[in-house]
Amino acid sequence: EAGVTQSPTHLIKTRGQQATLRCSPISGHTSVYWYQQALGLGLQFLLWYDEGEERNRGNFPPRFSGRQFPNYSSELNVNALELEDSALYLCASNTKRTGITGELFFGEGSRLTVL
Amino acid sequence: AQSVTQPDIHITVSEGASLELRCNYSYGATPYLFWYVQSPGQGLQLLLKYFSGDTLVQGIKGFEAEFKRSQSSFNLRKPSVHWSDAAEYFCAVGGTYSGGGADGLTFGKGTHLIIQP
Repeated sequence: EAGVTQSPTHLIKTRGQQATLRCSPISGHTSVYWYQQALGLGLQFLLWYDEGEERNRGNFPPRFSGRQFPNYSSELNVNALELEDSALYLCASNTKRTGITGELFFGEGSRLTVL
Repeated sequence: AQSVTQPDIHITVSEGASLELRCNYSYGATPYLFWYVQSPGQGLQLLLKYFSGDTLVQGIKGFEAEFKRSQSSFNLRKPSVHWSDAAEYFCAVGGTYSGGGADGLTFGKGTHLIIQP
């Protein structure tokens, strides 16, 4: 069974540009979570999508947005990139069964570098 | 609000020595507790989890953790570390699917484990 897959692995952008990151959850998982892991800041919750709807977002500005498609894959968009957006962006998924406990299954992450 | 504290930012252990990584949590209900490991530049891999029952849980790679409700702790242990154990370790607490689980898991800041030869 394939795990959570993320693309691209690495992405380099300049300030002011837009970045798009993609995530495919484990087959059968309907929830996708996005986390930002910036140097020294640990994992910070960004967004939660479930069954196509945004269910919750963390304390991030509106230029961080995303969506979930009918096949449950997800896209994270970051507009007007700033230097401090440089981070590892982790996607995770779960189902209603594992979601009861909160257990998450993580992808390998997308490393975004803003120059 | 739930929270997780990992008091040690860095820990250095000699190869072959025992290891204990500390984790304290704050949660208003029965906690679901997790330890994840992250190798440099990689995603997070689940080491072990506690939902209920036996308070000593076994995980992968020879790790174990003990849930102590009276101390609100879930410390991770390994009797003999290997150089390949060098990584970042995260403790996390989970909640229900809706409401408390709306942001997935709440993570500690992580403990960076360094293995000395």
